[in-house]
Amino acid sequence: GAVVSQHPSWVICKSGTSVKIECRSLDFQATTMFWYRQFPKQSLMLMATSNEGSKATYEQGVEKDKFLINHASLTLSTLTVTSAHPEDSSFYICSAPRKASGMNNEQFFGPGTRLTVL
Amino acid sequence: AQSVSQHNHHVILSEAASLELGCNYSYGGTVNLFWYVQYPGQHLQLLLKYFSGDPLVKGIKGFEAEFIKSKFSFNLRKPSVQWSDTAEYFCAVMSYNTDKLIFGTGTRLQVFP
Repeated sequence: GAVVSQHPSWVICKSGTSVKIECRSLDFQATTMFWYRQFPKQSLMLMATSNEGSKATYEQGVEKDKFLINHASLTLSTLTVTSAHPEDSSFYICSAPRKASGMNNEQFFGPGTRLTVL
Repeated sequence: AQSVSQHNHHVILSEAASLELGCNYSYGGTVNLFWYVQYPGQHLQLLLKYFSGDPLVKGIKGFEAEFIKSKFSFNLRKPSVQWSDTAEYFCAVMSYNTDKLIFGTGTRLQVFP
């Protein structure tokens, strides 16, 4: 099956610093990728859609200046958490769609990145 | 806006018991439906998916789900659970013309031997 990787798998940073998380589709190309956030014991919340060659589109309530997304190529999207604070501590997950059958796509998920802000 | 609701937040079963987890969605158009499982400390895995055709879909590990369009439901079932099924289960909906997945709140399943 399709493989999506994330790097790093976990990161600890000091409050006020910025953290970059990479999401790569390893064996397929993705013009869009998606970034989710998951708090402990909660569901995945869609943060934004990363679009190759254009600006990301953010879900309501997600600060675009706080969570910078860059879709540099057809296999790489990055999420930068700027001026991180403890409340940004969470599990960040990316996904990339790949055609499954007919006109239907299926999302393939990365393993996630656990961010802890001290 | 699309939304997905999972009625059971926490389910506790003994091994060999039958399982049914509810999932309802709100969206007027054509949708694709998914169930994912997240084992403790692991990432999401796809259990099964529905795109079209037979509304009863079978997935991995003995799971199945039935799409009932009139009820906007996609309930997950397993006839006999095992201890290894202990995990978090998420229902998700993708509208036909986008790739956005909207997740339900999740159901935590605990199976005791």
